[in-house]
Amino acid sequence: NAGVTQTPKFRVLKTGQSMTLLCAQDMNHEYMYWYRQDPGMGLRLIHYSVGEGTTAKGEVPDGYNVSRLKKQNFLLGLESAAPSQTSVYFCASSYEAAGSHEAFFGQGTRLTVV
Amino acid sequence: AQTVTQSQPEMSVQEAETVTLSCTYDTSESDYYLFWYKQPPSRQMILVIRQEAYKQQNATENRFSVNFQKAAKSFSLKISDSQLGDAAMYFCAYRNNIIQGAQKLVFGQGTRLTINP
Repeated sequence: NAGVTQTPKFRVLKTGQSMTLLCAQDMNHEYMYWYRQDPGMGLRLIHYSVGEGTTAKGEVPDGYNVSRLKKQNFLLGLESAAPSQTSVYFCASSYEAAGSHEAFFGQGTRLTVV
Repeated sequence: AQTVTQSQPEMSVQEAETVTLSCTYDTSESDYYLFWYKQPPSRQMILVIRQEAYKQQNATENRFSVNFQKAAKSFSLKISDSQLGDAAMYFCAYRNNIIQGAQKLVFGQGTRLTINP
C-alpha cells in the first residue's frame, strides 16, 4: 500500500520558471492538502480540496495554484517561481467520515529556487 | 483563527531519561483534536499520539503520553525511557472537530529533540 506519494522528491528551479508538484493517494480519501514547511514556522496550509473538482485557499495561497481533476491526484503549480518559495512541500490526505481524523502525509518535496 | 505555539525550539535528553515537550494553543472552540507528529531526518510525518478535547483522560501510547490541560489550553508530550530513535523534530497540531468539511491541521513551530547516548 503506497499511501501518499509525491513527485518529485527534490527540485531546483531558477527564478521565474514554472513547475508542477504531483501528489497521488491510493486510499480513496476525499480530502487532500498541500502544506509548506519552513524553519521555525512549522507546516502551513497552502491549498486544500474537499473532493474531486473542488479546491480552496489555505493560509498561504499566494503564488500557487492547484487542481483536483481526479480524486486520487492533487497538483500544486508554481507559475513563476520566486526564492521565497524555497521550502519543503508536503501533501496530505484524509477521510471524510467523522471520527476518522488522521491525516496521512507524503514524504515531501524539497524545492530550491535560485 | 486557531494558533499553536511550541516555545522550545530545541531540547535534549540523555538516553533512557524522560523529557517533556511543551505546546500551547488558542481556540474559541470547545470540541477539537490535538496531535503530536514526529518528523525524523527522513522527513516522513509520523503520528505519535492524539487527544480528543472532550475526553478527560490523557492519551497514552507506549512510552509516549500527554498532559492535556483544557482550561489552560496546554498539551505537552512526555517521552519516557528515551531512545536514540526518538531523535526527531516534533510538531504539535490542532484540528477542529467538524463533521463535514476539510480536516485542516494547524501546526506549531516544532521542537527538535536530540537524544544523547
